[in-house]
Amino acid sequence: AQSVTQLDSQVPVFEEAPVELRCNYSSSVSVYLFWYVQYPNQGLQLLLKYLSGSTLVKGINGFEAEFNKSQTSFHLRKPSVHISDTAEYFCAVSTGGFKTIFGAGTRLFVKA
Amino acid sequence: DGGITQSPKYLFRKEGQNVTLSCEQNLNHDAMYWYRQDPGQGLRLIYYSQIVNDFQKGDIAEGYSVSREKKESFPLTVTSAQKNPTAFYLCASSNPQGLNYGYTFGSGTRLTVV
Repeated sequence: AQSVTQLDSQVPVFEEAPVELRCNYSSSVSVYLFWYVQYPNQGLQLLLKYLSGSTLVKGINGFEAEFNKSQTSFHLRKPSVHISDTAEYFCAVSTGGFKTIFGAGTRLFVKA
Repeated sequence: DGGITQSPKYLFRKEGQNVTLSCEQNLNHDAMYWYRQDPGQGLRLIYYSQIVNDFQKGDIAEGYSVSREKKESFPLTVTSAQKNPTAFYLCASSNPQGLNYGYTFGSGTRLTVV
């Protein structure tokens, strides 16, 4: 069975600073990996996904993530955050079937 | 624009009542899902449907029921058997053929028991 662990429940950061949101997964088979963003009282929006190929994946809003198979990680990064990036971020894993496992989420607070 | 519409946005339920949450999509996706979101617990799968007239229980199906009579629609009923229904409910859909390219989510329904 797959599982996803988001290592930080909350991450405060100052505006224009870099940020990394950490995600580890476990699976005995090949996986597809995703990051979603959720703004208050809204649904989730897909930020980026890793299906195959290059391990560095670029997404929307300047975010990128790196798939590291040996460390079973898929950390999300942004070199310079904005106030508008304040939201909750979810890492998710799928083995290509009809079910996806979500992490518990990381709340990113960007301070002025 | 294609997407998923959930209604209502806010819903209040009295003790012992059944309520139905609507989910409609125009993305031509075969697969649809219902998730429950509680603070600090991420998303938990209630039910999912791979095709019309077929659906499977997720991890927390007790106290919920669904139907899938049309490809575009996947309503969720929260029954009186669900003892703690206050939560944020999210509907999603995905590309079929068994390969998950990620979900498209609706904007959610916040259910509160009064």
